[in-house]
Amino acid sequence: SQTIHQWPATLVQPVGSPLSLECTVEGTSNPNLYWYRQAAGRGLQLLFYSVGIGQISSEVPQNLSASRPQDRQFILSSKKLLLSDSGFYLCAWSVPKVGDPQYFGAGTRLSVL
Amino acid sequence: AQKITQTQPGMFVQEKEAVTLDCTYDTSDPSYGLFWYKQPSSGEMIFLIYQGSYDQQNATEGRYSLNFQKARKSANLVISASQLGDSAMYFCAMREGPGGGADGLTFGKGTHLIIQP
Repeated sequence: SQTIHQWPATLVQPVGSPLSLECTVEGTSNPNLYWYRQAAGRGLQLLFYSVGIGQISSEVPQNLSASRPQDRQFILSSKKLLLSDSGFYLCAWSVPKVGDPQYFGAGTRLSVL
Repeated sequence: AQKITQTQPGMFVQEKEAVTLDCTYDTSDPSYGLFWYKQPSSGEMIFLIYQGSYDQQNATEGRYSLNFQKARKSANLVISASQLGDSAMYFCAMREGPGGGADGLTFGKGTHLIIQP
């Protein structure tokens, strides 16, 4: 069966520090991968998606970037965090098949102080 | 205009009663998919049910069913025989286009459901 791992679960970082959040998927090949952000008490906003190694599409211009160095690995990064980067970050995967949902990881709560 | 509207910020329901969570959507694409997710306090998003725009019948998954009214652009989630463990945030989401690609989901703001004993 497929599983998705996301870490760390919680992160507190000072303003201006770098960020690296990692997500890996097991049990499937060539998944579509996604990064979402959820502001407190709100729905999810798509940040990035990827259909393959090295292929990244950005939905929202911001202080963040994403990379996919391996088929089942997706990384969210920032060189210098802003206060506004605080939030709950969720990684998700799906297969390129009509009707298949996106399956989410447990998320990372990021607090930028 | 919002693409997904959930008009109930919060709901209190007695245990064992049925619950209907409202969702309306807005799209001009004839092909789309509608999803419901549950988010407990732990934060993980749990997929519940899917309805495609061309599906003739309403989707059902165990105690969950989707009341799909295409002309009204409505996709309400119905939970039968509610349980205490159903207490969570519930999100309606839409994928525009025929699917099969890396289409991101557009989420509503959610409904906070609380089941009371």
